[in-house]
Formats: sequence, structure tokens, C-alpha cells
Amino acid sequence: AQSVTQLGSHVSVSEGALVLLRCNYSSSVPPYLFWYVQYPNQGLQLLLKYTSAATLVKGINGFEAEFKKSETSFHLTKPSAHMSDAAEYFCAVSLTGNQFYFGTGTSLTVIP
Amino acid sequence: GAVVSQHPSWVICKSGTSVKIECRSLDFQATTMFWYRQFPKQSLMLMATSNEGSKATYEQGVEKDKFLINHASLTLSTLTVTSAHPEDSSFYICSAKPGLGVLDEQFFGPGTRLTVL
Repeated sequence: AQSVTQLGSHVSVSEGALVLLRCNYSSSVPPYLFWYVQYPNQGLQLLLKYTSAATLVKGINGFEAEFKKSETSFHLTKPSAHMSDAAEYFCAVSLTGNQFYFGTGTSLTVIP
Repeated sequence: GAVVSQHPSWVICKSGTSVKIECRSLDFQATTMFWYRQFPKQSLMLMATSNEGSKATYEQGVEKDKFLINHASLTLSTLTVTSAHPEDSSFYICSAKPGLGVLDEQFFGPGTRLTVL
């Protein structure tokens, strides 16, 4: 069975500071990994995905994530936080790209 | 990107009644749709996978007779919560994919909040 763990249900950063949201996965076989963002009253939006190509994945809005097999991690980063980045972020794992298993989410607050 | 809608966005019902939630892909045909349930401050839990014209595949622990899923067309899937009880109150989210490949993006609806009194 596959699963993901997101460390830190709430993260606060100052505007312009580095954003780091942590995700560790568990899977018996190499998985596909995803990061989604959810703004209030909106559906989940795909930020980026790892599908066994490059280990460093670049996504939308300046976000990127690095797949580290040795650490079973897929942390999400952004060099400089914007106020508009405040949202809920979900990490997800899938073996097929169809059935997704999500982490518990991290709420990002950006302090002006 | 492609749009997935859900209707209603929120619903309140009495205990013992049934509630139907619709999920539509507005600008693409979805061979597969997925239903998730999200409890407050918790993760999205996959409930079932719905393929057009066939029976849904339910995740372990999800009651098939309680959560009826119908995928009648390539743009519409419905979730019916039968004989709803307060513990069924939750946020229900659907998603849809235009294809089954890994590179095919899965698009999520905005969710439906169900409150059972």
C-alpha cells in the first residue's frame, strides 16, 4: 500500500522568504508523486508531478519539488513567497496516475 | 485547464433521506471519474473509481450500498448518499481524467459540503 505523510499542518513564512513544505512517501514500488494546491472554495489545482523522468520537477507559480528516493521525500519549495501563495497544499501518491492517496495537507500562511 | 463542476455546492438534509451529488466534466470527456471524501482538517480519502458504463470500484471500507455511484455518460457521474446519517456529513470531491495515462491530468471539482441533521 502507498501513503504520504506531510509534516507540519501549518506553515507560516514571511513574504519573500523561502517556502518549504515537506512530504514523505511510502510505497513498495516507485510511485508517481504530485503536489496540489487548494484555494478557498475552489477545486484542487495541480502544481507539479513526478513521473520518473527528471528528479527535480518544476511546476507552476515558481514552485518546484525534488524526488529523493534515498530519503523517500518529495518536498515542495519556492524561493520567494508571495501573498497569493497562501492556500492549502496537498501531496499525493499514485502507482498508476489514477487512484490518488493524499496527505493530510499543509496550510501555508504568508506574513506581509 | 479543463473544468469539473459539482452540484450542489452545499446541501443540508434530514437523517434518513437520500442525497444525490453530480459531477460533470464541462469541456472534456472523462473516461474515469473519482470520488473522494474530506473530513475537516484531514486528507482527501478516495472512496471509489467510476468508469463510464460499468460498475464503480470501491475502496476497502466504503459501503457500496450506502454510496451509490453512477457514471451514466462520459461527462457525468453521480454519487447518491442513501439513508444519510449525521456521520455522513462531510466534504465530497470528485475528479475526472480525459484518459488513463499517467501524463493525463486529473481535474478536481470544487466539492460539495453535505450536512445531515
